[in-house]
Amino acid sequence: SQKIEQNSEALNIQEGKTATLTCNYTNYSPAYLQWYRQDPGRGPVFLLLIRENEKEKRKERLKVTFDTTLKQSLFHITASQPADSATYLCALVNNAGNMLTFGGGTRLMVKP
Amino acid sequence: NAGVTQTPKFRVLKTGQSMTLLCAQDMNHEYMYWYRQDPGMGLRLIHYSVGEGTTAKGEVPDGYNVSRLKKQNFLLGLESAAPSQTSVYFCASSNRLNEQFFGPGTRLTVL
Repeated sequence: SQKIEQNSEALNIQEGKTATLTCNYTNYSPAYLQWYRQDPGRGPVFLLLIRENEKEKRKERLKVTFDTTLKQSLFHITASQPADSATYLCALVNNAGNMLTFGGGTRLMVKP
Repeated sequence: NAGVTQTPKFRVLKTGQSMTLLCAQDMNHEYMYWYRQDPGMGLRLIHYSVGEGTTAKGEVPDGYNVSRLKKQNFLLGLESAAPSQTSVYFCASSNRLNEQFFGPGTRLTVL
């Protein structure tokens, strides 16, 4: 069956360090992958989309990689700040191409 | 632009009661979605619509019905609420399967 796995344990890092979150998937052949941020009590907010033919994508302090051989995406936040503390979700298009499936998310805590 | 709005924000129902959740978007998006989010389960798709007058089942459609009579509105109905439907419900919209814009959510408790 299709499965998306994100580390369910919270990631705690010190301010200024680089945070790296992982999204692994099985039995998907996604044309692209998306990352979202979700703050407590709010809906997810879109951050980045990376296509299967793109190895890496950047937006300000964010960087996403997409390895279709390893079936993995890495999400990096450089020079992390306490304001980056949130839950980060990855999402993939299913093989039928008709819906987006979300991972369970990883909670990031950046300590000052 | 208001983006995606959801009504109501909170609701408490008794088992067996019915209710309708309303989602509205002002971005002229073709696609609209209803998700539920439960602790440890992530976001799960209930139903979706790829255009006015069309709806389709998602991952967890049982116990819910939807309607998309107008392009900007997507309604989610619970005909006979059950405690298992206690959750936070999110509506989203998008153009095709590109970035999705989410509403603020509806917290539903079924007693």
